[in-house]
Amino acid sequence: AQSVTQPDIHITVSEGASLELRCNYSYGATPYLFWYVQSPGQGLQLLLKYFSGDTLVQGIKGFEAEFKRSQSSFNLRKPSVHWSDAAEYFCAVSGSARQLTFGSGTQLTVLP
Amino acid sequence: DVKVTQSSRYLVKRTGEKVFLECVQDMDHENMFWYRQDPGLGLRLIYFSYDVKMKEKGDIPEGYSVSREKKERFSLILESASTNQTSMYLCASSFSSGPSTDTQYFGPGTRLTVL
Repeated sequence: AQSVTQPDIHITVSEGASLELRCNYSYGATPYLFWYVQSPGQGLQLLLKYFSGDTLVQGIKGFEAEFKRSQSSFNLRKPSVHWSDAAEYFCAVSGSARQLTFGSGTQLTVLP
Repeated sequence: DVKVTQSSRYLVKRTGEKVFLECVQDMDHENMFWYRQDPGLGLRLIYFSYDVKMKEKGDIPEGYSVSREKKERFSLILESASTNQTSMYLCASSFSSGPSTDTQYFGPGTRLTVL
């Protein structure tokens, strides 16, 4: 069965600082990987996805993520965080059954 | 833009009531999903459907049922609501084939409180 681990429950960064959110997955074959963001009281918005090809993928709002097969990781990065990035971030993996398995989420706080 | 709408943003019901949560998508997606979201647990799949009249159990189907009579509409039913079903419910949809397969688009969610 597939699974996703987001080891950081809560991360706090200052505005303008760089950000890295960690995601580790477990899946037997090449996975499809996703990052979603959820603003307070809202549904989930897709930030980016990896299906195949270039292991560094670019997403919306200046985010990028790198797929590292050897480490079973798909970490999300942003070089300079804005106050509007404060939200909860979810990593997800999709296997052969077309279902998504989500991590438990990382809450991001941005200090002025 | 993909649009997934849910019938209510907030809902308050009493224990034992029958509750209907409605979800409609306008992108002709074949697949539709219902999740519940609880703090520290992320999103957990309740039921999903790959076609009209078709449904499959997810990871936590107990206490829930679903209905999909039309392609664009997927309903979640709580036959007899209980307090442990107080949660945020999220609906999602996706294509079955093509370059966007497996990319799920989410509605805004329904926050259900069962008293």
